[in-house]
Amino acid sequence: SYVLTQPPSVSVAPGQTARITCGGNNIGSKSVHWYQQKPGQAPVLVVYDDSDRPSGIPERFSGSNSGNTATLTISRVEAGDEADYYCQVWDSSSDHYVFGTGTKVTVL
Amino acid sequence: EVQLVESGGGLIQPGGSLRLSCAASGFTVSSNYMSWVRQAPGKGLEWVSVIYSGGSTYYADSVKGRFTISRDNSKNTLYLQMNSLRAEDTAVYYCARANKAVAYAFDIWGQGTMVTVSS
Repeated sequence: SYVLTQPPSVSVAPGQTARITCGGNNIGSKSVHWYQQKPGQAPVLVVYDDSDRPSGIPERFSGSNSGNTATLTISRVEAGDEADYYCQVWDSSSDHYVFGTGTKVTVL
Repeated sequence: EVQLVESGGGLIQPGGSLRLSCAASGFTVSSNYMSWVRQAPGKGLEWVSVIYSGGSTYYADSVKGRFTISRDNSKNTLYLQMNSLRAEDTAVYYCARANKAVAYAFDIWGQGTMVTVSS
């Protein structure tokens, strides 16, 4: 089965840039989506199809995808960005949806 | 307003059965790809099942043969029938819409319903 690996945690100071990686075999050939989840809440889609933003999501959230790594970048980090972030793809070989292991972003 | 509202969770003994419901408003369940995603306490997100607009269904290996996803078009509602429940099925269960407009990402999520499997 397809596996997506994320770092367990990322720490960043307010105003700085946070980068969250999502590793998978040839993930660059897949469409990657990113979700933000705050404690006690349902996930929220923040980036879809590698680098597009749903309406209402700040431009500070951006994404890229190439080779074996996809990256979610949060620019000018704010306290409100503190949350868990998950990458997700659809694995065509199994018709399964796959989530990454999740990354906790801490704003120092 | 576009929204999903889950119900049906609760405390159930190992080996028991439970049916979760997910009522949709603002869009048509049968015209979309609909999934169940779960999250065990303190753990990450785990995809459980999907039903496509054409009716095809797929399941995670961890639930295949025990869980059944379905929908009632007249009620615009998604279901998850869970049989032979195990302690490791304890989780918050979310229903979510995979929207073609956003490359089939999960753009709408319910608030979740808690399922606890314990004796």
